[in-house]
Amino acid sequence: DTAVSQTPKYLVTQMGNDKSIKCEQNLGHDTMYWYKQDSKKFLKIMFSYNNKELIINETVPNRFSPKSPDKAHLNLHINSLELGDSAVYFCASSQMDGYTFGSGTRLTVV
Amino acid sequence: GDSVTQMEGPVTLSEEAFLTINCTYTATGYPSLFWYVQYPGEGLQLLLKATKADDKGSNKGFEATYRKETTSFHLEKGSVQVSDSAVYFCALSVLTGANNLFFGTGTRLTVIP
Repeated sequence: DTAVSQTPKYLVTQMGNDKSIKCEQNLGHDTMYWYKQDSKKFLKIMFSYNNKELIINETVPNRFSPKSPDKAHLNLHINSLELGDSAVYFCASSQMDGYTFGSGTRLTVV
Repeated sequence: GDSVTQMEGPVTLSEEAFLTINCTYTATGYPSLFWYVQYPGEGLQLLLKATKADDKGSNKGFEATYRKETTSFHLEKGSVQVSDSAVYFCALSVLTGANNLFFGTGTRLTVIP
């Protein structure tokens, strides 16, 4: 009965590879997000999606692309991974001012 | 723009000490304010929230009051426990557009026995 679930929990990959992180929410929320948490714990929003439309795209490299097949899913695809992409990525969903976060995906690029 | 400024850590306290973590905000509209907690190796959990001026959010002995006049939402707890050791994030959202949640930089709290 997990509200926001993301997979995988850990991802170790080599530079230059392409990888995806999946996120699903069963809360019926209209908006979903991806956040990046760097090594200093700073959280920065990357994308938000509302009813399958991208609302905002912060200054994120175009190697990162969100993909939303339906309202309950927002996947994050990353091309040509770089060392600096190593971080924890959190998926979240919201309705009005109620936000729920997934448990995070720790990505390590070697 | 919308932003949150949070007291820098790390903060180290003895068990049963009083905790204050300062948070101030800048918002273009009327924000909702939040405190999130991240325990070691875990994701973000909502600790408490307040949606309008003078509201007090409370949970697990933690409290924060939405002060519009000082644009602040300071987190307090009267007696901390070792199990409170975590990173605490102040955040705001404004119900317009993308309804994004903007986080402060986080404050790491360590409580020692």
